[in-house]
Amino acid sequence: AQSVTQPDIHITVSEGASLELRCNYSYGATPYLFWYVQSPGQGLQLLLKYFSGDTLVQGIKGFEAEFKRSQSSFNLRKPSVHWSDAAEYFCAVGASNNDMRFGAGTRLTVKP
Amino acid sequence: EAGVAQSPRYKIIEKRQSVAFWCNPISGHATLYWYQQILGQGPKLLIQFQNNGVVDDSQLPKDRFSAERLKGVDSTLKIQPAKLEDSAVYLCASSPTRTRRVDEQFFGPGTRLTVL
Repeated sequence: AQSVTQPDIHITVSEGASLELRCNYSYGATPYLFWYVQSPGQGLQLLLKYFSGDTLVQGIKGFEAEFKRSQSSFNLRKPSVHWSDAAEYFCAVGASNNDMRFGAGTRLTVKP
Repeated sequence: EAGVAQSPRYKIIEKRQSVAFWCNPISGHATLYWYQQILGQGPKLLIQFQNNGVVDDSQLPKDRFSAERLKGVDSTLKIQPAKLEDSAVYLCASSPTRTRRVDEQFFGPGTRLTVL
């Protein structure tokens, strides 16, 4: 079965600074990769997804992620963080039967 | 377009009591999921429905958890009897796919269950 590792439990960045959240996956076939964001008391919202094609994926709210097959990674990036980006971020990998496995999440704190 | 609806938003019960959660997916979405999210962890799939049939319930603790999706629309998840370790947020999600392939899932706001 597929699995996801998010090595950073908690990250703090200053507003305006760049951000990179790490995600490593394990899956024997072509992965379907997702990043979701969860604000306190809310459900998960999709930021972006990778199914195939261009390995650099653009998402909502200025986020992007790059799929690197050789490193089994799908890191999320944003060039300039806003205070409203403070939330929990989840990486997920989907299998062919739409079985989705989530990482444990990375909590982002934004300093003024 | 209305999103995934869940109720109640919060529930506090004593251990050994029973509880039920309700989910109404996005209209027309064939696939419905129930996830359990324990504090500090990512969501864990409990059960997946395709229309009103179960696709995957391998991680559902069937001795105490049950779920149904009558008429292939809304769904209920029940816990009976509840244990302390069932304290979590229960998320419902839906996706439009009618085939067994990967698709984006749309999540509801969740129900936060506290078992005392």
